[in-house]
Amino acid sequence: GAVVSQHPSRVICKSGTSVKIECRSLDFQATTMFWYRQFPKQSLMLMATSNEGSKATYEQGVEKDKFLINHASLTLSTLTVTSAHPEDSSFYICSASPGTFWTSGGNNEQFFGPGTRLTVL
Amino acid sequence: TQLLEQSPQFLSIQEGENLTVYCNSSSVFSSLQWYRQEPGEGPVLLVTVVTGGEVKKLKRLTFQFGDARKDSSLHITAAQPGDTGLYLCAGANYGQNFVFGPGTRLSVLP
Repeated sequence: GAVVSQHPSRVICKSGTSVKIECRSLDFQATTMFWYRQFPKQSLMLMATSNEGSKATYEQGVEKDKFLINHASLTLSTLTVTSAHPEDSSFYICSASPGTFWTSGGNNEQFFGPGTRLTVL
Repeated sequence: TQLLEQSPQFLSIQEGENLTVYCNSSSVFSSLQWYRQEPGEGPVLLVTVVTGGEVKKLKRLTFQFGDARKDSSLHITAAQPGDTGLYLCAGANYGQNFVFGPGTRLSVLP
């Protein structure tokens, strides 16, 4: 159980175009989904947290107009990189949590998708 | 701001050796998770610890949460090449988002 998928796994696009990445929880309902960015040989950097049906909460320094997040249902969240530029090239990873700290008894585990490699030319 | 440190940053050992990696913070966490990530893939959850002093075992992996819930360790016995990867610890504090450590990159040579 607790499987999270991402699509696409790899995408190459031209500078100035927009790219949409989907994150789905396949066998559980995700109250909360997280989007991370990871540069080569570095740890994960949290970009934003999204709760189903409400606006995403972005971390400091993350442009909300550039990285649009939509958590339309309890099993799907999307990240759209708008007007992508080469510096946006990175490994984007989503994770999903079946609950919150308060509903999970203090054990709000998150399960990660396989990641999406974005290359902007 | 809560920060997690991990040590060592890099570790290269021979198959069959034992090793311990550490995750430390000056902050208290309500729960702490360990993940292993392989290149080009997402992190895979290994264990969650929530109680100070807790010890959990997963085959050859032993995880311990410090009594004060500020630190944790991961011990691997008789390491195998399949253990190679980036080991990440992540802590959460009472409803706040998880904070990830910088990771320990382990290479187990056959």
